[in-house]
Amino acid sequence: KQEVTQIPAALSVPEGENLVLNCSFTDSAIYNLQWFRQDPGKGLTSLLLIQSSQREQTSGRLNASLDKSSGRSTLYIAASQPGDSATYLCAVRLGKLIFGQGTELSVKP
Amino acid sequence: EPEVTQTPSHQVTQMGQEVILRCVPISNHLYFYWYRQILGQKVEFLVSFYNNEISEKSEIFDDQFSVERPDGSNFTLKIRSTKLEDSAMYFCASREQSSGNTIYFGEGSWLTVV
Repeated sequence: KQEVTQIPAALSVPEGENLVLNCSFTDSAIYNLQWFRQDPGKGLTSLLLIQSSQREQTSGRLNASLDKSSGRSTLYIAASQPGDSATYLCAVRLGKLIFGQGTELSVKP
Repeated sequence: EPEVTQTPSHQVTQMGQEVILRCVPISNHLYFYWYRQILGQKVEFLVSFYNNEISEKSEIFDDQFSVERPDGSNFTLKIRSTKLEDSAMYFCASREQSSGNTIYFGEGSWLTVV
């Protein structure tokens, strides 16, 4: 059974720092992996999608990597801003999406 | 940018009542999903729907739940005889045909069962 784990559960950083969020999964048989952002009480906004054959994807200040064989993905956020404060979720897909519990990020001005 | 839209945004219902949550997926998408998130817990899969039938469902999706695509645009989740533990945020999602495509989520419907 696929399990997705995200570390750390919460992270607080000063504005301007570069940071890395971690995601691990137990079964490497996936189609792809998505990173989402969730603001409190809101929906899920897709940030990046990495196909199982890819190693990384970039969008603006965000860079996501995937090492399928070791069951790991990272989300790198450059030059963090207070507006980046949210919960970040990773999810792997083979058919349905299976989510991690998220990392709650707080960026202090 | 096209969006998945959900209604209502929040519904309070009495235990034992039936609830219908509505979704309008992105127009050219062919796969539709319902997920839920109980407060403080992970987002969990309920059901996927393709070509007018359920393609996969979780153990949560028992006889209490049903899905329907009543017309060319709407996708609904019906919860019969609601229980306190059904209180959660319910998310609708959709994607295009290709298995590699991004899955897009709506803003969710908060269901509170009292």
